[in-house]
Amino acid sequence: DIVMTQSPDSLAVSLGERATIKCKSSQSVLYSSNNKNYLAWYQQKPGQPPKLLIYWASTRESGVPDRFSGSGSGTDFTLTISSLQAEDVAVYYCQQYYSTPSYTFGQGTKLEIK
Amino acid sequence: QVQLQESGPGLVKPSQTLSLTCTVSGGSISSGGYYWSWIRQHPGKGLEWIGYIYYSGSTYYNPSLKSRVTISLDTSKNQFSLKLSSVTAADTAVYYCARTTLARAFDIWGQGTMVTVSS
Repeated sequence: DIVMTQSPDSLAVSLGERATIKCKSSQSVLYSSNNKNYLAWYQQKPGQPPKLLIYWASTRESGVPDRFSGSGSGTDFTLTISSLQAEDVAVYYCQQYYSTPSYTFGQGTKLEIK
Repeated sequence: QVQLQESGPGLVKPSQTLSLTCTVSGGSISSGGYYWSWIRQHPGKGLEWIGYIYYSGSTYYNPSLKSRVTISLDTSKNQFSLKLSSVTAADTAVYYCARTTLARAFDIWGQGTMVTVSS
């Protein structure tokens, strides 16, 4: 299985400031035939299911605010929230879907307001 | 707009079989291009993919659970189901159903249902 490791485990950022979450995969999730990274990011608020934010490492899902962006390739990825809003408090997960059908998630990063 | 809703018992006794159903509304479960997954989340923990089924009936399971999992499809009711046998307290979790695509991974989720394994 591909192991996904996120850092940090928790993060406190001031409102309006940038939040950055890292995700590292134990092997590349870049599919050479289409040059796509099979890496997704999810946001989970308390008592709610995860919500897809980003797929293919950098493509925002429809309706996701543009303050959310994803970057990276191969084994190293980043989720950036450019200007933190109160409603962004949540746990964020990365997930690889390269090694289908053995999907694996990172352990999650808890984002709070400083 | 496609929506998913899980249903089933919230309490299961140890050694018994956990059975859940996911009802899909706003779209057909028989549409090609979509896989229908079960995912679980242990209390206060991360996410674990259990398995999925394609509209053709093909199934794929997490190797760590494969010996105990069965996912099936009922196209007449637009539902898919999960059975997990020989449950223990370690199977206590929130169980989610989700639509899965090869491009966008898990793009639509149900609200989840909490299942507790206890005598």
